[in-house]
Amino acid sequence: NAGVTQTPKFRVLKTGQSMTLLCAQDMNHEYMYWYRQDPGMGLRLIHYSVGEGTTAKGEVPDGYNVSRLKKQNFLLGLESAAPSQTSVYFCASTQDRHRNYGYTFGSGTRLTVV
Amino acid sequence: ELKVEQNPLFLSMQEGKNYTIYCNYSTTSDRLYWYRQDPGKSLESLFVLLSNGAVKQEGRLMASLDTKARLSTLHITAAVHDLSATYFCAVGEGLSNFGNEKLTFGTGTRLTIIP
Repeated sequence: NAGVTQTPKFRVLKTGQSMTLLCAQDMNHEYMYWYRQDPGMGLRLIHYSVGEGTTAKGEVPDGYNVSRLKKQNFLLGLESAAPSQTSVYFCASTQDRHRNYGYTFGSGTRLTVV
Repeated sequence: ELKVEQNPLFLSMQEGKNYTIYCNYSTTSDRLYWYRQDPGKSLESLFVLLSNGAVKQEGRLMASLDTKARLSTLHITAAVHDLSATYFCAVGEGLSNFGNEKLTFGTGTRLTIIP
């Protein structure tokens, strides 16, 4: 049981390049989320999905796009990377509508934009 | 806008001592989560608190929730070195009629246990 798997784990981009971060979960969870974590701050929600084919904006969505074409996968895209997007990105998922069991987080993707 | 404040931000304590981390939040919510994060690692779920007065314990950690005071505490009893980590609280806030919610995180408390 892999849980939530994020790829890649590390990436260095040049300003203006694009990339896609992949989040895959094998727990049949409905709800999936992308967060970013910056030094000295808690996690902030970028985008989220309440099910296959759905996406919605979170707290800090600018500069990012997402897609949820398959229930198990949630993709985060950066169309034109900027240094301000240097961060650690975490994907999370949950099945329980009432969140009784909390959220499962992936191991993170450390992205540096130079 | 929901604000979540943790204190202290940094805590250095000796093994065997007791201490409490505080999590205050600014709007009504009855869903509070505690996570642990080791350096370079992901977040590990510690406690899910879903109602006023909820208290949960696991080993040397105990978490409680007072929704009227908008306060949760994480109490550490007889600290051991293995508890060194950053601890985050997160408050659940409803997003839509689908029962979805978003988590608003505190800034974290970096706990260092000194042998």
